[in-house]
Amino acid sequence: AAGVIQSPRHLIKEKRETATLKCYPIPRHDTVYWYQQGPGQDPQFLISFYEKMQSDKGSIPDRFSAQQFSDYHSELNMSSLELGDSALYFCASSFLNTEAFFGQGTRLTVV
Amino acid sequence: RKEVEQDPGPFNVPEGATVAFNCTYSNSASQSFFWYRQDCRKEPKLLMSVYSSGNEDGRFTAQLNRASQYISLLIRDSKLSDSATYLCVVTRDTDKLIFGTGTRLQVFP
Repeated sequence: AAGVIQSPRHLIKEKRETATLKCYPIPRHDTVYWYQQGPGQDPQFLISFYEKMQSDKGSIPDRFSAQQFSDYHSELNMSSLELGDSALYFCASSFLNTEAFFGQGTRLTVV
Repeated sequence: RKEVEQDPGPFNVPEGATVAFNCTYSNSASQSFFWYRQDCRKEPKLLMSVYSSGNEDGRFTAQLNRASQYISLLIRDSKLSDSATYLCVVTRDTDKLIFGTGTRLQVFP
């Protein structure tokens, strides 16, 4: 069965650079979530979209933005990267607020 | 205080043991409840949903107590492969998943 696809799997950026993370949800899922997980921490909610509209916002820095496109894929744009942005970024999708399924994540390292 | 709280552990148990985790949530408007499992540096994977009537899947049993606002996960006959972090997850009508801090389980031979 198709799963949530994230790209890239690994990304290395320098401070102050920009990064774009992509997420392709499971077909027919109507909700996409983005989470950030630092080392030894639980996943922290960043933002979610329902039917291409932003549905909720968590602890997402102003330097980050996200959107969901007409084909339901989502992108997380991160600018002016800081060392503290180094983390695993997970995308998850669900249908009608039922169980959510996660992608394998993007490991971002800011140097 | 976090909205969803778990004992971080670690719980170190021998193979074949029975182990139980609890999770408490503070918002009575919470609607849906799940247990996820996360292996080191991997994505969280859905283990099971938790229903008011309780549910069982093989060696795993989940219970929900709405009055006391806690959910539990019982693992019987622990296997080495059960070693992981178990995340309690709660949702409200705003859709987002709210994670607990996770409970680490280490099963030893």
